[in-house]
Amino acid sequence: DVKVTQSSRYLVKRTGEKVFLECVQDMDHENMFWYRQDPGLGLRLIYFSYDVKMKEKGDIPEGYSVSREKKERFSLILESASTNQTSMYLCASSPRPYFSNQPQHFGDGTRLSIL
Amino acid sequence: ELKVEQNPLFLSMQEGKNYTIYCNYSTTSDRLYWYRQDPGKSLESLFVLLSNGAVKQEGRLMASLDTKARLSTLHITAAVHDLSATYFCAVDPPFEAGNNRKLIWGLGTSLAVNP
Repeated sequence: DVKVTQSSRYLVKRTGEKVFLECVQDMDHENMFWYRQDPGLGLRLIYFSYDVKMKEKGDIPEGYSVSREKKERFSLILESASTNQTSMYLCASSPRPYFSNQPQHFGDGTRLSIL
Repeated sequence: ELKVEQNPLFLSMQEGKNYTIYCNYSTTSDRLYWYRQDPGKSLESLFVLLSNGAVKQEGRLMASLDTKARLSTLHITAAVHDLSATYFCAVDPPFEAGNNRKLIWGLGTSLAVNP
């Protein structure tokens, strides 16, 4: 079974802090994704990476950056946390080849509160 | 722009009844995924539908895909309380769109099954 592990289930930080969310997958997937989920807004893609050191902005990248130094690890960074970044953050991974036919596999999520 | 629309967004139903959730999408795609999310939890893959006419069944849930109509349905038979969750559909953009496998998500259908 694919395992996607997010470093924290719950996190509380203060406004202005630099926040790191870590995600590790064990299936050698090329693609990794960071989403945030807010009530009524569904899943919104923050950033996407298709290879080591490669990244693409998603729909809402402002205020975030990412790092992918190793294939299995994808980090989301809130450069200076603000209260409007309080949310559920979900990491996912999938194979890159179009015809792999596998869905995205999700971690358990990190519920982040910025005070 | 590829859009995915689910309806209804909220569904309250009685145990034992049948109902269908609809997922419409706006461009050509022959790959669609259904996910389930329990309150406070992450997303779990339910069905992967890979071609026109595909039908998958698991317990009281049956999913189908009509690529010509750009429509997928998730049918619930004789609902039970344990099916209460949010159900998302997601579409793989066509290969010509860039082969990046960034899924396009519906907003989710929040299902409550009442005794």
